[in-house]
Amino acid sequence: DVKVTQSSRYLVKRTGEKVFLECVQDMDHENMFWYRQDPGLGLRLIYFSYDVKMKEKGDIPEGYSVSREKKERFSLILESASTNQTSMYLCASRGAGTGKETQYFGPGTRLLVL
Amino acid sequence: GQNIDQPTEMTATEGAIVQINCTYQTSGFNGLFWYQQHAGEAPTFLSYNVLDGLEEKGRFSSFLSRSKGYSYLLLKELQMKDSASYLCASEDYGQNFVFGPGTRLSVLP
Repeated sequence: DVKVTQSSRYLVKRTGEKVFLECVQDMDHENMFWYRQDPGLGLRLIYFSYDVKMKEKGDIPEGYSVSREKKERFSLILESASTNQTSMYLCASRGAGTGKETQYFGPGTRLLVL
Repeated sequence: GQNIDQPTEMTATEGAIVQINCTYQTSGFNGLFWYQQHAGEAPTFLSYNVLDGLEEKGRFSSFLSRSKGYSYLLLKELQMKDSASYLCASEDYGQNFVFGPGTRLSVLP
């Protein structure tokens, strides 16, 4: 079974802090994604990566950066956390190729910025 | 561009059948996914459609009409554990996913 893990389930940070969210997958997947999920808005793509050291902006990249130094690990960084970044953050991974290959999600990190 | 819409909430009774609709507008459409997400948990894959028609998997079925930009998820013999959010997502040829807002289904006894 594919396993996607995230470093924290719950996180409380203060405005202005630098926040690191880590995601690790064990299926040698090329593609990894970071989403945030807010009520009524669904999942919105922040960044994705299709290979080591490669990254692409998603729909809402402002205020975030990412790092992918190893294939299995994809990190999301909030350079200076703000209260509007309070949200559920979901990481996902997917193998190469399109079609039936689904995304596999981690358990999520619920971030509260005070 | 891509746009997806689905109802926000639905309620149904245990043992009944419920249909959750999803409409999409996707350039270069390459498939439609359905996910189930229980409160506080990660979305899990339910079904995938790329051709017109019905795909059946036990109590769950998913239908696609590419010409109408329309899909539905059909849940039969509803159980209490089916109370969850159901997410519709379309993929384009660039492997870009767009998710709908999710439909929160409440199953009542």
